[in-house]
Amino acid sequence: DARVTQTPRHKVTEMGQEVTMRCQPILGHNTVFWYRQTMMQGLELLAYFRNRAPLDDSGMPKDRFSAEMPDATLATLKIQPSEPRDSAVYFCASGEGGTSADTQYFGPGTRLTVL
Amino acid sequence: KNQVEQSPQSLIILEGKNCTLQCNYTVSPFSNLRWYKQDTGRGPVSLTIMTFSENTKSNGRYTATLDADTKQSSLHITASQLSDSASYICVVSAFSGGYNKLIFGAGTRLAVHP
Repeated sequence: DARVTQTPRHKVTEMGQEVTMRCQPILGHNTVFWYRQTMMQGLELLAYFRNRAPLDDSGMPKDRFSAEMPDATLATLKIQPSEPRDSAVYFCASGEGGTSADTQYFGPGTRLTVL
Repeated sequence: KNQVEQSPQSLIILEGKNCTLQCNYTVSPFSNLRWYKQDTGRGPVSLTIMTFSENTKSNGRYTATLDADTKQSSLHITASQLSDSASYICVVSAFSGGYNKLIFGAGTRLAVHP
């Protein structure tokens, strides 16, 4: 049963600290998405990768957020320095990509709390 | 501006009853519309997907409808079960630049009580 995995599942940190979240997409999927979900904003797209190349990161605050795919089995989302307003659940999703009917499969999320 | 609005914001029903959730959208260019179910503490899971030419799609006790003229969709749940308690999110895709840009609604939180 192929799934998207994310680590850590929970992270509590202090303001100003660096936070790194990791995602392992489903094997064979060539698109990866990072989302943020808060009670106030709902789900927001942060970044999108296809074949490991970043195609859209317009939803991501560039001054503190960065997203990378070092290889096809790992995507990372880094926040440096973290702020309390970054507290949210961060979801990674992967898909086979390329068609308008592409289904995205979501991971379980990383719940981030910045104190 | 691309937007997806859902109603009601929350809903409580008794087990065994039916319910209908609404989604209105202004998204262009429209590609498809999906309904996701999100259990508490989990990631969203796709229930249905409909393209412009489809006006109904079923997945077990879930039936989604789409009226592309009025830009409205509904998700009907039949004979609700306690396990249907979740958030239901309407997501509209604008296929642009070679991929689906997803626009999410805020969701409807459904609680099914015994």
